[in-house]
Amino acid sequence: NAGVTQTPKFQVLKTGQSMTLQCAQDMNHEYMSWYRQDPGMGLRLIHYSVGAGITDQGEVPNGYNVSRSTTEDFPLRLLSAAPSQTSVYFCASSKRGHSGVVNTEAFFGQGTRLTVV
Amino acid sequence: KQEVTQIPAALSVPEGENLVLNCSFTDSAIYNLQWFRQDPGKGLTSLLLIQSSQREQTSGRLNASLDKSSGRSTLYIAASQPGDSATYLCAVEDNFNKFYFGSGTKLNVKP
Repeated sequence: NAGVTQTPKFQVLKTGQSMTLQCAQDMNHEYMSWYRQDPGMGLRLIHYSVGAGITDQGEVPNGYNVSRSTTEDFPLRLLSAAPSQTSVYFCASSKRGHSGVVNTEAFFGQGTRLTVV
Repeated sequence: KQEVTQIPAALSVPEGENLVLNCSFTDSAIYNLQWFRQDPGKGLTSLLLIQSSQREQTSGRLNASLDKSSGRSTLYIAASQPGDSATYLCAVEDNFNKFYFGSGTKLNVKP
């Protein structure tokens, strides 16, 4: 099992550029999510999805778009990168927490370190 | 809005000591709580998951407890080893599939 795969691992962007961070999982998990991790602030939820075709905003969604056309993939798009988006980005997947499903252990990718100059 | 706090932010102990990491959260309406380990430059690895109806979970030298009514969880590490050095994060999942993380406790176990 590959688990959760994120690409790229490192990226440098210029202000105003756009890019897509890729995330794929092979565990047939309904729930996928994106976080950013900044020093001293822990992980903050950007967007999440409870299944194909369904996405919703997290705590810090501004400047980011997502879509979920398949169960396996959950790409994160930066439409116009800003220096404030310099961060480490993590994608995670788990079974969806709902009635009757209690084991929602989350699996994380290795992260994408993004620098916007 | 759920707020998750972890104390202490950093901890340095000699090898062999037993230690306790603390996590508190402001809203007791949680679905579950997870403890994660993060090594430098790496992703997060789930250590223990405690369902909202449970009081504790154990895995090897690790024991996590949950007191939902008081908004607290502890991670107990027995007989610490240098390989336990990492950052430990706790996260709560609410009833709407959202996760909220603490900022972590950075643990250093000295040989």
